[in-house]
Amino acid sequence: KAGVTQTPRYLIKTRGQQVTLSCSPISGHRSVSWYQQTPGQGLQFLFEYFSETQRNKGNFPGRFSGRQFSNSRSEMNVSTLELGDSALYLCASSLGQGVALTKNIQYFGAGTRLSVL
Amino acid sequence: TQLLEQSPQFLSIQEGENLTVYCNSSSVFSSLQWYRQEPGEGPVLLVTVVTGGEVKKLKRLTFQFGDARKDSSLHITAAQPGDTGLYLCAALLNNAGNMLTFGGGTRLMVKP
Repeated sequence: KAGVTQTPRYLIKTRGQQVTLSCSPISGHRSVSWYQQTPGQGLQFLFEYFSETQRNKGNFPGRFSGRQFSNSRSEMNVSTLELGDSALYLCASSLGQGVALTKNIQYFGAGTRLSVL
Repeated sequence: TQLLEQSPQFLSIQEGENLTVYCNSSSVFSSLQWYRQEPGEGPVLLVTVVTGGEVKKLKRLTFQFGDARKDSSLHITAAQPGDTGLYLCAALLNNAGNMLTFGGGTRLMVKP
């Protein structure tokens, strides 16, 4: 069974540009969550999509947005990039519903490392 | 201030030593999770603890959930170089979805 796939693995952008990151969840998983990981702030929740709807949202500015497609694949977009957006962006997928808490495991991808110059 | 405080932040030990990592909060959680993250990879779930006072063992790793469900600990016996990595505790912020909040992490290095 293929794991969570994130593309691209590395990305270099300049301030003011926008970027789109992609996440393909494990087959059968309907929930996709996005996290930002930086040395200073650690791992922080961005948002979660379930069945093409945003179910939860973290405390990030509106420049960060996402969407989920009917096949559960998800994209996140960051507009008007700032230096502080440099981070590892992680995507996690899970069944999302209908299973016990201890079985609703989130599987993480390897991440996209974004550098903003 | 993070909701989950982990200590220590860094730990460098020799192979064969024992260690304990702590995850503390002033909030009560329905469950806590422990993850390990290796360089270039995403976090991998090690265990979920749900009952106050619960103890779970995973080979040389022992996880405990505090009686009041506000804290947890991870104890590694006879650490090996393969245990090197970033250990993260995390909790679900609500029961409607997968909104995890993470501790700051403990970076462990085990030297041969």
